[in-house]
Amino acid sequence: GAVVSQHPSWVICKSGTSVKIECRSLDFQATTMFWYRQFPKQSLMLMATSNEGSKATYEQGVEKDKFLINHASLTLSTLTVTSAHPEDSSFYICSALLGGLWDTQYFGPGTRLTVL
Amino acid sequence: TQLLEQSPQFLSIQEGENLTVYCNSSSVFSSLQWYRQEPGEGPVLLVTVVTGGEVKKLKRLTFQFGDARKDSSLHITAAQPGDTGLYLCAGMFSGGYNKLIFGAGTRLAVHP
Repeated sequence: GAVVSQHPSWVICKSGTSVKIECRSLDFQATTMFWYRQFPKQSLMLMATSNEGSKATYEQGVEKDKFLINHASLTLSTLTVTSAHPEDSSFYICSALLGGLWDTQYFGPGTRLTVL
Repeated sequence: TQLLEQSPQFLSIQEGENLTVYCNSSSVFSSLQWYRQEPGEGPVLLVTVVTGGEVKKLKRLTFQFGDARKDSSLHITAAQPGDTGLYLCAGMFSGGYNKLIFGAGTRLAVHP
């Protein structure tokens, strides 16, 4: 149980285009999902908290107009990188929060974005 | 601002050796998770600890949560090449809206 998927697993795009990444909780409902960014050889950096039915909460320094988040249902959150530039190239990982005895985040497999 | 210090950052050992990874903070965790991440993949949950003094075992991996819930350790006994990977500790803090604060990670290489 507690499986999270991401699509696509990798994407290459031209500078100036927009890219959408999907994050799905496959076997549970998640009112809260999170988006992270990870640079090579580094740990995960939280970008934003995605809440179903409300606006996402962005971490300090993350441009909300550049990284658009939509949490349209209890099993789907999307991250759109708008007007992508080479510096946006990174590994993007989402997680979904599973509540219970204690709250736990389950992570997707990640999306490798390369902007040319 | 809560910070999570994880050490060591790199560890290169021979098969059969034991090792310990540490995770420390000046703040109290409501819970702490340990994850393992392979290159090009997302982190996979190993364990969640929530009670001060708690010890959990997962085969050759032993996880401890400090009595004050400010620190945790991961001990691997008789490491094997299959244990190679990035180990991440991540803590949730009360009032933190279920956000995880990640340590810098420990990159473990176990050589045959």
